[in-house]
Amino acid sequence: GDSVTQMEGPVTLSEEAFLTINCTYTATGYPSLFWYVQYPGEGLQLLLKATKADDKGSNKGFEATYRKETTSFHLEKGSVQVSDSAVYFCALSVGGTSYGKLTFGQGTILTVHP
Amino acid sequence: NAGVMQNPRHLVRRRGQEARLRCSPMKGHSHVYWYRQLPEEGLKFMVYLQKENIIDESGMPKERFSAEFPKEGPSILRIQQVVRGDSAAYFCASSPSGGETQYFGPGTRLLVL
Repeated sequence: GDSVTQMEGPVTLSEEAFLTINCTYTATGYPSLFWYVQYPGEGLQLLLKATKADDKGSNKGFEATYRKETTSFHLEKGSVQVSDSAVYFCALSVGGTSYGKLTFGQGTILTVHP
Repeated sequence: NAGVMQNPRHLVRRRGQEARLRCSPMKGHSHVYWYRQLPEEGLKFMVYLQKENIIDESGMPKERFSAEFPKEGPSILRIQQVVRGDSAAYFCASSPSGGETQYFGPGTRLLVL
């Protein structure tokens, strides 16, 4: 079945540090890939997405590139801020009868210190 | 355009009671998804509905859980005879059509005592 694996967390960084959160996937067909962010006590917000190989999604300084050859969609940001502290989820969706159903990774907790 | 609305935001039930969770999708969205987030875990798909139809309920427990999305009104996730293991955050998401980007509500946090 479809699955998403994220790097083990939590991740703790100082402000302005470089961020990478690894995400790899297994899917039948050609999935769309997503990063969602969840702030404490809130629902998930879409951060960025990519729908085909070599697409790069970007938003708010975050970016991720859909790598079909390595089945990866790693999240990066060049300079993190305290306000980026949250839980980050990598997810995929495929077509078929469950069109749009999202399969999530386990989430990575990011804490950024001043 | 209001976002996805869920109520209640917090729900406390005793074992054996019923829990009823409501989700109002964004305006113009006719596709609703329910996910469950257990403590310290990621979200797991439960059910996918369109107006008056259940499209995919492969993630729904076979017993005690049911979902509906009537022609009028919100989508309802119903849990009968709750047990402590049902304690979780339940998130609803909506999209204008299947395969489009899903927009999530703030969730209902269910605590079973």
